[in-house]
Amino acid sequence: EAQVTQNPRYLITVTGKKLTVTCSQNMNHEYMSWYRQDPGLGLRQIYYSMNVEVTDKGDVPEGYKVSRKEKRNFPLILESPSPNQTSLYFCASSFGGLNTGELFFGEGSRLTVL
Amino acid sequence: QKEVEQNSGPLSVPEGAIASLNCTYSDRGSQSFFWYRQYSGKSPELIMFIYSNGDKEDGRFTAQLNKASQYVSLLIRDSQPSDSATYLCAVNMWKDSSYKLIFGSGTRLLVRP
Repeated sequence: EAQVTQNPRYLITVTGKKLTVTCSQNMNHEYMSWYRQDPGLGLRQIYYSMNVEVTDKGDVPEGYKVSRKEKRNFPLILESPSPNQTSLYFCASSFGGLNTGELFFGEGSRLTVL
Repeated sequence: QKEVEQNSGPLSVPEGAIASLNCTYSDRGSQSFFWYRQYSGKSPELIMFIYSNGDKEDGRFTAQLNKASQYVSLLIRDSQPSDSATYLCAVNMWKDSSYKLIFGSGTRLLVRP
């Protein structure tokens, strides 16, 4: 089954404790992206990757890191989480190019930072 | 002005009616446009995309694009209670030296039985 898998789905952590949210897709997609969704603000892009070893900042990259060492995986790293990073996070992928906007989303990871 | 603007709703329609969801965007050079549906507590799923001016139909859904007016809409015919969800408009636009997919904040649709 074609899917984007995120883990963990739910996480409560404390300020400053490093965490990683994993994302994996099995559709051989070139393009992967991370979004956060907050009430009233919609989906905002954190980072994206056009291909392996190619990543770039989205609209709200501060406080996040990513890496793309393999095509299928695109982890999101919070080196020192803060309460303003409490949010619902989505990983998404697509074939890229003209089809970049035809995204498949993971189920989401709800993060609470105390 | 927001880059992609949608009325937050809720838009309430009776079952069987046509629901009309609207979206405006700021970048005149945008080339591709997408509609996603998001049920409460779930992830967005792509339901329509449109790249050319005019109408594109897929089952009960019709996407309409007017680049001159910078306007894209989604019509849902014969609305069903199962169509109750938030509908996100997304536009691929040139920003910060690359194309970025920008989402509106969504319109909540409520279909009354």
